[in-house]
Amino acid sequence: EIVMTQSPATLSVSPGERATLSCRASQSVSSNLAWYQQKPGQAPRLLIYGASTRATGIPARFSGSGSGTEFTLTISSLQSEDFAVYYCQQYNNWLSITFGQGTRLEIK
Amino acid sequence: QVQLVQSGSELKKPGASVKVSCKASGYTFTSYAMNWVRQAPGQGLEWMGWINTNTGNPTYAQGFTGRFVFSLDTSVSTAYLQISSLKAEDTAVYYCTYGSGSYFFDYWGQGTLVTVSS
Repeated sequence: EIVMTQSPATLSVSPGERATLSCRASQSVSSNLAWYQQKPGQAPRLLIYGASTRATGIPARFSGSGSGTEFTLTISSLQSEDFAVYYCQQYNNWLSITFGQGTRLEIK
Repeated sequence: QVQLVQSGSELKKPGASVKVSCKASGYTFTSYAMNWVRQAPGQGLEWMGWINTNTGNPTYAQGFTGRFVFSLDTSVSTAYLQISSLKAEDTAVYYCTYGSGSYFFDYWGQGTLVTVSS
């Protein structure tokens, strides 16, 4: 099983500033990496797939990068609605899909 | 528009069974595999596996074999998750979800809270 490790566990950032979230895979997942945002009481929302492609309707301030084992989600200028938990997910092996443990993005 | 509508919250006693439904609309149900994801209280997302909506063949993730069963009723575009011999640690929100492009998930149900308590 591919283990996905996200860092940091909690990130405190002020509105308007940039946030950088990391995700590391225990072995290469190529570009088969997605990012999700989850707010309390809601289902996850797909932000990024293919490591860097924004999903439909996702604002341009969200960007993804990386390949292989190291990935980054960047939110360029934080808005109030961006404070949430973010998960990465690898789907390189469709028989064993795994998520990271999440990064909580909180208001500083 | 695409919708995945799940059945309501359940409160069950240890040892009982539960069946969660996920009714799809707005797309051809048999075009995409249906996945299930578990989220225990205050915890992260855990992929449980998926079911081929054409053949009904399920694939279960590690840790979700034996007591967990995925099934379908394609006549009503509905997927089911049945959990037997419920334990307290099965308490979680269960989501159905699918990906229209690959094995990332762009459509999600609203989640079903299953609480196991005596």
